Amino acid sequence: AQRVTQPEKLLSVFKGAPVELKCNYSYSGSPELFWYVQYSRQRLQLLLRHISRESIKGFTADLNKGETSFHLKKPFAQEEDSAMYYCASSGGYQKVTFGTGTKLQVIP
Amino acid sequence: GAGVSQSPSNKVTEKGKDVELRCDPISGHTALYWYRQSLGQGLEFLIYFQGNSAPDKSGLPSDRFSAERTGGSVSTLTIQRTQQEDSAVYLCASSLTGTPNSGNTIYFGEGSWLTVV
Repeated sequence: AQRVTQPEKLLSVFKGAPVELKCNYSYSGSPELFWYVQYSRQRLQLLLRHISRESIKGFTADLNKGETSFHLKKPFAQEEDSAMYYCASSGGYQKVTFGTGTKLQVIP
Repeated sequence: GAGVSQSPSNKVTEKGKDVELRCDPISGHTALYWYRQSLGQGLEFLIYFQGNSAPDKSGLPSDRFSAERTGGSVSTLTIQRTQQEDSAVYLCASSLTGTPNSGNTIYFGEGSWLTVV
């Protein structure tokens, strides 16, 4: 079975500091990887997916197959980035599996 | 509709009563998921449908929980003899899926807030 690990339950950073939310996956093939975000009082929504190789709201994530990681990064955190972030993985025809989430708190 | 729709948005029920939560996925989406989110906690997977069948129901916490999906569309999550620990937000999500790397983006509903008193 697939597994997605987000080791940090809470990450607090100061505004303007760099952010890195960690994610490791266990799928041995070629997974499809995602980051989802949930802002306060809003529904969970897709932030970015690795096959798009895009930057959304200043966030990027690079797939590292050697380390089986898909860490989410942003060079300068903003207060509006405070939210719950979930990493997710899907491989082949298997269902999408989510990590347990990391709460990002940006301190003004 | 354009997105995943869930009803009711809020439900307060007495301990011991049964509740039904409904999910209307995005039209054409074959995969449907139910998750639970307790206060301050992450996502807890409950059940996954592919069409009308449920290849993975490993997350259902007890036999008081059941779900069905009909016509490859609407799904209902039923909780029998509710307990206070069932209080949570129940999230439904759907995706096109079926083909690797082409349709697995999941779209979430706004959730059904269940409070058992």
